[in-house]
Amino acid sequence: GAVVSQHPSWVICKSGTSVKIECRSLDFQATTMFWYRQFPKQSLMLMATSNEGSKATYEQGVEKDKFLINHASLTLSTLTVTSAHPEDSSFYICSASVRGLFYTFGSGTRLTVV
Amino acid sequence: GENVEQHPSTLSVQEGDSAVIKCTYSDSASNYFPWYKQELGKGPQLIIDIRSNVGEKKDQRIAVTLNKTAKHFSLHITETQPEDSAVYFCAAEIKPNGLVFGAGTILRVKS
Repeated sequence: GAVVSQHPSWVICKSGTSVKIECRSLDFQATTMFWYRQFPKQSLMLMATSNEGSKATYEQGVEKDKFLINHASLTLSTLTVTSAHPEDSSFYICSASVRGLFYTFGSGTRLTVV
Repeated sequence: GENVEQHPSTLSVQEGDSAVIKCTYSDSASNYFPWYKQELGKGPQLIIDIRSNVGEKKDQRIAVTLNKTAKHFSLHITETQPEDSAVYFCAAEIKPNGLVFGAGTILRVKS
């Protein structure tokens, strides 16, 4: 149980375009979803926290207009990287939680901006 | 805010030996401490967790200990196998919810 599905697993896009990443909780309803970014050989850095039906809360230094988060239902959250640039290339990982009882992670999305 | 420090950054052990990874945290309000294993190109997988109402938890070859007074917790892997090789992250829950991660430990098990 407690499976989180994240798609796509990898994506290559051109500079200036937008990319959407989906995160779904398959067998539970997540009260909160989290988005992390991980650069090579580094730890996971929290980008934003979102609750269903509410605006996301962004961590300091994360541009909310660049990283659009939509959490329309208890099972789906999306992260859209707008006007992507090469420096946005990274591994993006979502996580879903039920009131902090557990945190389950998706398999990650490798974004490469060329 | 919460700060989690993790040591060592890399750890090499011989197959069959034990491996210990240690973490400290700063926020005494944290009550949940999970450990994750991450393989290359994949998301983190929970391997064991502990809450502040217990001092130790064990699951087969994996154990975690927690010292709330000293604000540190440790991961113990016994009888290591080559497939245990991966990056391990400790984390501490922050309020109202969310996790802060340690920097990670690269574990190499040599056969």
